[in-house]
Amino acid sequence: QLQLQESGPGLVKPSETLSLSCTVSGGSVSSSSFYWGWIRQSPGKGLEWIGSMHNSGKTYYNPSLKSRVTTSVDTSNNEFSLKLSSVTAADTAVYYCVRQYGLGSWRFDPWGQGTLVTVSS
Amino acid sequence: QSALTQPPSVSGSPGQSVTISCTGTSSDVGTYNRVSWYQLPPGTAPKLMIYEVSNRPSGVPDRFSGSKSGNTASLTISGLQAEDEADYYCSSYTSSSTLVFGGGTKLTVL
Repeated sequence: QLQLQESGPGLVKPSETLSLSCTVSGGSVSSSSFYWGWIRQSPGKGLEWIGSMHNSGKTYYNPSLKSRVTTSVDTSNNEFSLKLSSVTAADTAVYYCVRQYGLGSWRFDPWGQGTLVTVSS
Repeated sequence: QSALTQPPSVSGSPGQSVTISCTGTSSDVGTYNRVSWYQLPPGTAPKLMIYEVSNRPSGVPDRFSGSKSGNTASLTISGLQAEDEADYYCSSYTSSSTLVFGGGTKLTVL
């Protein structure tokens, strides 16, 4: 059964770059059938899709975050990553990594446990 | 892109049925069947409950069902149980090749 685990700093300073990784176990990021994505939930707010990527390099991003987001897939370590630049307090959130069932479905399953990232000096 | 519209909260007694609506536009819910529903129980990872409007993943009880009419999708939970108490979110693919979530609905089992 596929499992996902987020990792990265829990505290990031304003204006710096948030960097997270998601380790995949029980499956491969090299699978052509799936995309790999990031979703976040700010305290007291709803879910926000950040973006999705395929190991071919194809990406889809939330227009509101696109200018600050970079994603990549590391097949050698079976993980994928998120970088969000120029962060502010508004980027404080629980960040989830997810597997996406392709472009015909756009469903996310499973989800990682989530990791809280706080933006503060 | 604007969030899909969900009621902030719904409630029901054990054994009853509740329905959570998710209203979008002709650019998302109204055109595409790529509508999903997620359950966010406190302290645990979110779980996919319904995909492509009305399909249930393996392991999801058949008490959970989904439907769509026009620009509105719905999640119905029948035979409500205490363990169903959680936040529920809908999502939809959009004509801009992006994904949008609803604002979330808190389900309280009385």
